[in-house]
Amino acid sequence: QKEVEQNSGPLSVPEGAIASLNCTYSDRVSQSFFWYRQYSGKSPELIMSIYSNGDKEDGRFTAQLNKASQYVSLLIRDSQPSDSATYLCAVSGGGADGLTFGKGTHLIIQP
Amino acid sequence: GAVVSQHPSWVICKSGTSVKIECRSLDFQATTMFWYRQFPKQSLMLMATSNEGSKATYEQGVEKDKFLINHASLTLSTLTVTSAHPEDSSFYICSAYGLTAFSNQPQHFGDGTRLSIL
Repeated sequence: QKEVEQNSGPLSVPEGAIASLNCTYSDRVSQSFFWYRQYSGKSPELIMSIYSNGDKEDGRFTAQLNKASQYVSLLIRDSQPSDSATYLCAVSGGGADGLTFGKGTHLIIQP
Repeated sequence: GAVVSQHPSWVICKSGTSVKIECRSLDFQATTMFWYRQFPKQSLMLMATSNEGSKATYEQGVEKDKFLINHASLTLSTLTVTSAHPEDSSFYICSAYGLTAFSNQPQHFGDGTRLSIL
């Protein structure tokens, strides 16, 4: 049984600060890792994808992957109130493989 | 970017009705489509994987006779919830995956269908 674990939160961060979201996964053969943002009542929106160990930066977002520790994280710099949402960590075996999602972390950016 | 269209966005119907949801990839050929379900305050759960021209693969605990999936073309997959009951009320979301030069491409999600069974 593949599992993806996230702290459900809520995680409250002041505007302008760095928000740090974490995720662990159980399946060691996982190859592809994603962070999605989901607003209430909406479909998930892809924020970051990462496939190899290390850091990947895209604008205010940095994804970090450590396959040895089975750990994925997402950093959001200069947090904005519009970043307030639920962030879903998703993992797959790669290619045309279904995603296993965590339960999500509810992030609140306080103005 | 890649666009996946899902229709309808909202359905309210009586218990016992069958409901069909369409998922279309608008600007790429989707060799594989996925159907997910999300109950309130829960995460997305994969229901089934469908490949064009072949039978869908269902996840454990998902009734294949209740959730009929058809993937007749590279741009269209449908999910039919047969004889829907209130416990089937949920947010159903499709995603599409297409072959590109790079194998590790993220799935593209549709906007979802909120199904309410009275």
